[in-house]
Amino acid sequence: GAVVSQHPSRVICKSGTSVKIECRSLDFQATTMFWYRQFPKQSLMLMATSNEGSKATYEQGVEKDKFLINHASLTLSTLTVTSAHPEDSSFYICSAWDRGGNQPQHFGDGTRLSIL
Amino acid sequence: AQSVSQHNHHVILSEAASLELGCNYSYGGTVNLFWYVQYPGQHLQLLLKYFSGDPLVKGIKGFEAEFIKSKFSFNLRKPSVQWSDTAEYFCAAVSGNTGKLIFGQGTTLQVKP
Repeated sequence: GAVVSQHPSRVICKSGTSVKIECRSLDFQATTMFWYRQFPKQSLMLMATSNEGSKATYEQGVEKDKFLINHASLTLSTLTVTSAHPEDSSFYICSAWDRGGNQPQHFGDGTRLSIL
Repeated sequence: AQSVSQHNHHVILSEAASLELGCNYSYGGTVNLFWYVQYPGQHLQLLLKYFSGDPLVKGIKGFEAEFIKSKFSFNLRKPSVQWSDTAEYFCAAVSGNTGKLIFGQGTTLQVKP
């Protein structure tokens, strides 16, 4: 069964709206979570590393003020797309790193964000 | 910069055909390698991984991959594909202990019944 829950699965909203996406590890504590973005027919691009209790680390070219990440607990990380515009429309995927497990990361089901 | 390359973007096979998907990485030093599969409408699933030891790694659903250090490659193979193998396949690598996965471009596999 799923060990990472990502919510919502799909969002459609108007330009200028801020959208929050949640990523929860269900049966393990994830001190580190990752946020990826996937454009159609393309691969996953790492956006940022979310560390519990500290600031997120963003990859080059990713605007930290645009994509706000909060990792307030060992089981929850949130990504907020602030003042979203059509170019932010994409598929966002989170993953949680179970350092004690036998997989490097467990992935959420993703969130399809469509900005009108 | 660290990168992962998949050379086959779209592969079409008939059932029972053999499969080999190419993956090359550009990391130096210790590298851990993975193949993920994404079935239509589903989340990423781990097929197999290589950390160390035997360079021929066997995964789920009959897949295997071979780590060839001299070629910086980690190609995915399956002797006989099934229609249910139709999916997107991603090669990924992580260097060091950061946990950060770098993905290849992905390969769309279409298996015709």
